[in-house]
Amino acid sequence: GEKVEQHESTLSVREGDSAVINCTYTDTASSYFPWYKQEAGKSLHFVIDIRSNVDRKQSQRLTVLLDKKAKRFSLHITATQPEDSAIYFCAASNGGYKVVFGSGTRLLVSP
Amino acid sequence: EAAVTQSPRNKVAVTGGKVTLSCNQTNNHNNMYWYRQDTGHGLRLIHYSYGAGSTEKGDIPDGYKASRPSQENFSLILELATPSQTSVYFCASGDGLGANTGQLYFGEGSKLTVL
Repeated sequence: GEKVEQHESTLSVREGDSAVINCTYTDTASSYFPWYKQEAGKSLHFVIDIRSNVDRKQSQRLTVLLDKKAKRFSLHITATQPEDSAIYFCAASNGGYKVVFGSGTRLLVSP
Repeated sequence: EAAVTQSPRNKVAVTGGKVTLSCNQTNNHNNMYWYRQDTGHGLRLIHYSYGAGSTEKGDIPDGYKASRPSQENFSLILELATPSQTSVYFCASGDGLGANTGQLYFGEGSKLTVL
């Protein structure tokens, strides 16, 4: 079955810098790649996604890049702010009902 | 606003006891999911459902059962709880249609401690 690996367990940046979180997946049939954010002590909420028919998607300060050949996708956050501090989860789905998550990256944005 | 409600939010159980975690969604979504979150493992899929009456095994179904009696409700059942099932459990509903996976909406989580 699909396995999603999130390479950075922790990422520390200074406020205003950019942050990049990388994920890889194993199932070539995966076609949907969402990202979720979990703030301390809270639940997860959706932040951005990308489908396999495009290789880039941007929403304000967030950009997702998808490299289908390498089976790799990444979340780029520009001009980081303290409120960006959270655990970010990448996930993959092959278009069916099952959504498989990575292990999470804790992003710390310091002033 | 999507609404997924879990109960109980906190539960302490004894080894060998039965635990039922309940989830209710008011989004009218067909798809529902149960995940557990453990440090170092992220979110792991236990069971999911694509409609009332259906339950499917996820990646770590052993020791868990699921029940989807209606569109709105999806329960996770631990018949014989063990300390290894101590975790935070998240329910989610999904707005995907058919083969088009959509966004997941998560509940607030249920913290289960098995002594």
